[in-house]
Amino acid sequence: AQTVTQSQPEMSVQEAETVTLSCTYDTSESDYYLFWYKQPPSRQMILVIRQEAYKQQNATENRFSVNFQKAAKSFSLKISDSQLGDAAMYFCAYSPPTDKLIFGTGTRLQVFP
Amino acid sequence: GAVVSQHPSWVICKSGTSVKIECRSLDFQATTMFWYRQFPKQSLMLMATSNEGSKATYEQGVEKDKFLINHASLTLSTLTVTSAHPEDSSFYICSARPKAGAGFYNEQFFGPGTRLTVL
Repeated sequence: AQTVTQSQPEMSVQEAETVTLSCTYDTSESDYYLFWYKQPPSRQMILVIRQEAYKQQNATENRFSVNFQKAAKSFSLKISDSQLGDAAMYFCAYSPPTDKLIFGTGTRLQVFP
Repeated sequence: GAVVSQHPSWVICKSGTSVKIECRSLDFQATTMFWYRQFPKQSLMLMATSNEGSKATYEQGVEKDKFLINHASLTLSTLTVTSAHPEDSSFYICSARPKAGAGFYNEQFFGPGTRLTVL
């Protein structure tokens, strides 16, 4: 069965610093997608970044980047220059093509001024 | 683009009544919509997958007669909680996946959620 594990229930970071959120997954598929979603207190799910498994290059979106290690089945999220608005729950998710999302348990990120 | 709406945003109902929640994709066509349930401080739990024009596929442990899902068009799916009880109180979130070829790389776009409270 496909599973997604986020081993850090909570993380904290100082404003302007860098923080890395961990995610590992288990699958026997070779073609799939990985996502990081942010859920602020409003509870609206917001896509932060995505990675296609066939791409070796790590995805980057402004201050957000991933470290995708396919062989190790690891997909960590790095947030640079952290801002107060980055405080939220972060969910890692896995999906085979045209199939359902499988979410991790989430990491609560606190940002201190 | 890629906006999903949910209505209502919150609802309070009496035990034993039924509640309908609508999920609409506003600016794209969605062949597949998903319904999730989220308890406080927990992750999203997939309840069912609905494809336009066909019966929904329910996840193990989800009662299909209690959570009725209809996906009558490419822009609308509804979740009806029948004979609601206090234990059905939760946050319900829908998502929609655009038609293949729309260039969204298998993404799902999420609605803002509906908070259901059953008294």
